Amino acid sequence: DGGITQSPKYLFRKEGQNVTLSCEQNLNHDAMYWYRQDPGQGLRLIYYSQIVNDFQKGDIAEGYSVSREKKESFPLTVTSAQKNPTAFYLCASKGLGNTGELFFGEGSRLTVL
Amino acid sequence: DQQVKQNSPSLSVQEGRISILNCDYTNSMFDYFLWYKKYPAEGPTFLISISSIKDKNEDGRFTVFLNKSAKHLSLHIVPSQPGDSAVYFCAASPSRSSGGSNYKLTFGKGTLLTVNP
Repeated sequence: DGGITQSPKYLFRKEGQNVTLSCEQNLNHDAMYWYRQDPGQGLRLIYYSQIVNDFQKGDIAEGYSVSREKKESFPLTVTSAQKNPTAFYLCASKGLGNTGELFFGEGSRLTVL
Repeated sequence: DQQVKQNSPSLSVQEGRISILNCDYTNSMFDYFLWYKKYPAEGPTFLISISSIKDKNEDGRFTVFLNKSAKHLSLHIVPSQPGDSAVYFCAASPSRSSGGSNYKLTFGKGTLLTVNP
């Protein structure tokens, strides 16, 4: 089945540690996105990539880093510089075109202890 | 500065009645709008979209209305069912045809819909 797979679904991290969230898609989509959801905040864009080896900062990129070495993969690293990393992280992808919906993964819940 | 606003954090309706979820936007470059539904601990799923060249789009029980002059859109669910209980997000994007940059969606904060049996 085609879709987006995020892993791990739940992750605990100690303060000061970096952690990488995985996102893989087999939809042959060019564009991929990382959003963060906090209670009462909706979905906020962290980073996005329109094509391999290229990515742009979203609205809340500070403390995060990404890479896009393969079309299928768009991992997100939450660094120790991110002041409030506890959140629900959502990866999404989209095919070509000016319109159309984003397809989301199931999400990863990161808790910093 | 919120460019997409959903001013009602929650809405409660009876099963079988109409649910109306509202969304306002401030960015005049937005010309493509979407609604997503989200259950707890899951990713959002796409419901329906509308382009600015239309003022209405319908898909089964779901209809989205767009009022460009008021920068307002609404999602109507008729009849509402208990399984519709979820958080609904409004999202907007400028298309490249309107001079927008790379395609990205801006989301509202969501409205929690509860449909009571």
